Amino acid sequence: KQEVTQIPAALSVPEGENLVLNCSFTDSAIYNLQWFRQDPGKGLTSLLLIQSSQREQTSGRLNASLDKSSGRSTLYIAASQPGDSATYLCAVALNTPLVFGKGTRLSVIA
Amino acid sequence: DAMVIQNPRYQVTQFGKPVTLSCSQTLNHNVMYWYQQKSSQAPKLLFHYYDKDFNNEADTPDNFQSRRPNTSFCFLDIRSPGLGDAAMYLCATNSNLGVTEAFFGQGTRLTVV
Repeated sequence: KQEVTQIPAALSVPEGENLVLNCSFTDSAIYNLQWFRQDPGKGLTSLLLIQSSQREQTSGRLNASLDKSSGRSTLYIAASQPGDSATYLCAVALNTPLVFGKGTRLSVIA
Repeated sequence: DAMVIQNPRYQVTQFGKPVTLSCSQTLNHNVMYWYQQKSSQAPKLLFHYYDKDFNNEADTPDNFQSRRPNTSFCFLDIRSPGLGDAAMYLCATNSNLGVTEAFFGQGTRLTVV
């Protein structure tokens, strides 16, 4: 059974810092990995989708990498801003519904 | 423009009183999912539809039912809500199970009193 772990559970950084969020999964046989953002009391907003054949994807200040063989992904956020404060979740799928981690709660302090 | 729309955003229901949550999509996606998310927890899959084919997770309580009358709409029925069913309910879609990007609605926050 696929399990997804995200470390750390919470992170607080000063504005302007670059930061890395980690995601690991137990079964490397995946089709894709998706990173989401969740604001308090809201649904999930898709940030980046990485197909299993890809090693990274970029969108603005966000860069996600995937090392499928080791079961790891990272989300890099450059020049963090207070508006980046949210919970970030990763999820993986193999011709199946997404399996989620619990997320990393990020606070960016002005 | 919102592509996956959940109604209502907030729902308060009485203990034991049936409640229905709705989800609609404008993406014409084949697959629709319902997830339950409790505070600080990972979203947990309740069930999904691939077209008209219904797939129930083994640990989803019988208290939870779903209907998909057409491609665009999907409903979550909770027959007798208990206090433990208070949670955020998330609807999602994608065009091909587990292969393409999934899109989520804004969620329905259910409170049971």
